Amino acid sequence: NAGVTQTPKFQVLKTGQSMTLQCAQDMNHEYMSWYRQDPGMGLRLIHYSVGAGITDQGEVPNGYNVSRSTTEDFPLRLLSAAPSQTSVYFCASSYSVGLAGGMYEQYFGPGTRLTVT
Amino acid sequence: ILNVEQSPQSLHVQEGDSTNFTCSFPSSNFYALHWYRWETAKSPEALFVMTLNGDEKKKGRISATLNTKEGYSYLYIKGSQPEDSATYLCAFLYNFNKFYFGSGTKLNVKP
Repeated sequence: NAGVTQTPKFQVLKTGQSMTLQCAQDMNHEYMSWYRQDPGMGLRLIHYSVGAGITDQGEVPNGYNVSRSTTEDFPLRLLSAAPSQTSVYFCASSYSVGLAGGMYEQYFGPGTRLTVT
Repeated sequence: ILNVEQSPQSLHVQEGDSTNFTCSFPSSNFYALHWYRWETAKSPEALFVMTLNGDEKKKGRISATLNTKEGYSYLYIKGSQPEDSATYLCAFLYNFNKFYFGSGTKLNVKP
């Protein structure tokens, strides 16, 4: 049981390049989410998914796309990288959402440190 | 954008001291509040999930209380140890499916 995995661990991009951050979980969790962590700002929600085929925007979605074709995978795509997207990105998953969903803790991946020059 | 505030931003205590910090969140449309512990170079790990007004949770020397009517939660650490040094995050669940995190309280416990 690997939990939540993320690849790559580190990435350097040039402005305008695109890339995909990978996230996978093996716990059969319905809910998956992407956060970015910037100094002094805590974790901010980028996009989330409540199940395969269902995604929605979080607090800071601009410049990012997501899809959820399987329960296990939730990739985050940067369409045209900008220096403002330099950050540490965390993927998280949780058993469920909805009325009872708040009862379930989130499990976090190890993070991807992205630098855009 | 919801405002979830944590105070203080950082705290330096001596080994053996007891300490507490605060998470403030909107008092309307409450569904859940989570506390996470985040050690340097690791990922956040859940401490408590709190859903009911008046909830009190305890795990070893760490405990938390919840007041949803006034919009705050306290995290207490009794007899702090150096291994308690970490950033403590709270997360407010909005509309069943969006988590808003505070910016955290960074605790440093000196031996």
